[in-house]
Amino acid sequence: AQKVTQAQTEISVVEKEDVTLDCVYETRDTTYYLFWYKQPPSGELVFLIRRNSFDEQNEISGRYSWNFQKSTSSFNFTITASQVVDSAVYFCALILGPVAAGNKLTFGGGTRVLVKP
Amino acid sequence: EAQVTQNPRYLITVTGKKLTVTCSQNMNHEYMSWYRQDPGLGLRQIYYSMNVEVTDKGDVPEGYKVSRKEKRNFPLILESPSPNQTSLYFCVGTPNTEAFFGQGTRLTVV
Repeated sequence: AQKVTQAQTEISVVEKEDVTLDCVYETRDTTYYLFWYKQPPSGELVFLIRRNSFDEQNEISGRYSWNFQKSTSSFNFTITASQVVDSAVYFCALILGPVAAGNKLTFGGGTRVLVKP
Repeated sequence: EAQVTQNPRYLITVTGKKLTVTCSQNMNHEYMSWYRQDPGLGLRQIYYSMNVEVTDKGDVPEGYKVSRKEKRNFPLILESPSPNQTSLYFCVGTPNTEAFFGQGTRLTVV
């Protein structure tokens, strides 16, 4: 069975600091997809990124960047120069591919990020 | 645009009063799921459906029912809600390996 671990339950930073969220996953499958979602206080889940297991290139999108390392089964997320609007809960998730029973997403427990002005 | 719509967004009910949370999708895809979110536990799958009339239990199915009479709709039914079902619920469509979330339903059972 798959497992996703987000060891940091809460991180507090001051605006403009960088913050890195850790995500470690476990699966025996070779084909899988990893996700990051942001959940602001309003509760909806906002999609940030989806990465397949065969693409280990790091990705940057504005102030967001992701570091995928299969050797350590990690898919870490960094917010550069954090802003108050980044305050949210962030979830890492995994789904097996191409199509697995139930297409189940396995989530980590989430990391709450608090950015103080 | 792919969309998953669930209603209501907020619901407060009393123990034992049957309720249904609706979910519909416009993607014409087979795979749909319900998840509940609780602090520190992330999101856990309640039930899933791989096609019309095909449903199965997820990780935390106790106290819930679902139905899939048509591809578009996948309602979540709580026959006799209890306070431990107070949670944030998400309907999710997972065509292939993407995931489309509904807006969430915050349920409080008193």
